[in-house]
Amino acid sequence: ETGVTQSPTHLIKTRGQQVTLRCSSQSGHNTVSWYQQALGQGPQFIFQYYREEENGRGNFPPRFSGLQFPNYSSELNVNALELDDSALYLCASSSGGAGADTQYFGPGTRLTVL
Amino acid sequence: KQEVTQIPAALSVPEGENLVLNCSFTDSAIYNLQWFRQDPGKGLTSLLLIQSSQREQTSGRLNASLDKSSGRSTLYIAASQPGDSATYLCAVQNSGGSNYKLTFGKGTLLTVNP
Repeated sequence: ETGVTQSPTHLIKTRGQQVTLRCSSQSGHNTVSWYQQALGQGPQFIFQYYREEENGRGNFPPRFSGLQFPNYSSELNVNALELDDSALYLCASSSGGAGADTQYFGPGTRLTVL
Repeated sequence: KQEVTQIPAALSVPEGENLVLNCSFTDSAIYNLQWFRQDPGKGLTSLLLIQSSQREQTSGRLNASLDKSSGRSTLYIAASQPGDSATYLCAVQNSGGSNYKLTFGKGTLLTVNP
């Protein structure tokens, strides 16, 4: 059974640029959640996708957007990057949508915005 | 709004010592509570998940308890080892309208000295 994978591992961008992060969910999982973890903080929920539809969203501006594909992999897109977007971005997969079982996390993508 | 607090923020102990990490949450209407381990710059590894109907869960040297009515959980680590050094995060999943997300504390940074 393949776990949750994320790409790329590290990324450096400059202010104003756009970035796309990718996540492959664990086999058999149809739900993907994205979290942002700033240095020294706990992860903050960005949004969740269930069967290709956005299922819930945290307090993040619209320049944070996402997609989920028929194979349940997912993308996180961030437009007009700001310095405060520098963080570890974590993807988690689970089955059954909201209120479901354990979320399994990937290794994360470290984004640095200069 | 659910808020999760972890005390202490950092803890340093000698090898072999038993220790307790604390987690508190403000809204007792939870679906489950989960403890994670995070190594520096890495993703999250799930250690224990306690359903709201359970009082505790055990895995090897780890024991997690849950007192939902008082909004508290503890993670007990027996006979600590240097390899236990990491950040430990507590997260709750609400049973109400926002049950699609995990709300995290900021974590406890544990250092076990040889």
